[in-house]
Amino acid sequence: KQEVTQIPAALSVPEGENLVLNCSFTDSAIYNLQWFRQDPGKGLTSLLLIQSSQREQTSGRLNASLDKSSGRSTLYIAASQPGDSATYLCAVPAGANSKLTFGKGITLSVRP
Amino acid sequence: DVKVTQSSRYLVKRTGEKVFLECVQDMDHENMFWYRQDPGLGLRLIYFSYDVKMKEKGDIPEGYSVSREKKERFSLILESASTNQTSMYLCASSLRGPNEQFFGPGTRLTVL
Repeated sequence: KQEVTQIPAALSVPEGENLVLNCSFTDSAIYNLQWFRQDPGKGLTSLLLIQSSQREQTSGRLNASLDKSSGRSTLYIAASQPGDSATYLCAVPAGANSKLTFGKGITLSVRP
Repeated sequence: DVKVTQSSRYLVKRTGEKVFLECVQDMDHENMFWYRQDPGLGLRLIYFSYDVKMKEKGDIPEGYSVSREKKERFSLILESASTNQTSMYLCASSLRGPNEQFFGPGTRLTVL
């Protein structure tokens, strides 16, 4: 059974720092990996989907990398801003169907 | 842009009431999902549907049922609400297969 882990559970950084959020998964036979952002009390916003054949995917200040063989993905946020404060979750599909297995998320606080 | 809407942002119900949560997507997606999110437990899949009138149980289907009569609409039904069903409920949709999932804004349900 696929397990997805995100450590640490919370992170606090000063504004302007470049930071890396980690996601690890136990079964490397994945189709893709999706990163989401969640603001308090809100739904999830899809940030990036990285296919198993890709190594990286970029959107603005965000860059996601994927290393299937080691069961890891990282979300890199450049020049962090207070508006980046949110919970970031990663998720992988459970096989060929669409059911996602989620990590529990990393709550990021960017201090002005 | 994909849009997933949920019928209510906040809902307060009494124990024993029948509760309907509705989700509508406007992108002709085949797959639709219902999750619940609780502190410390993360997101858990209740039910999903991969086509009209088709449904599959997720990880925690007990106490819930679903209905998908039209492709764009997926309803979650709590037959007899209980206090342990107080939670944030999130709906999502995607194209068929392990594709990017898009989430609605969530419904915060409180059962008294």
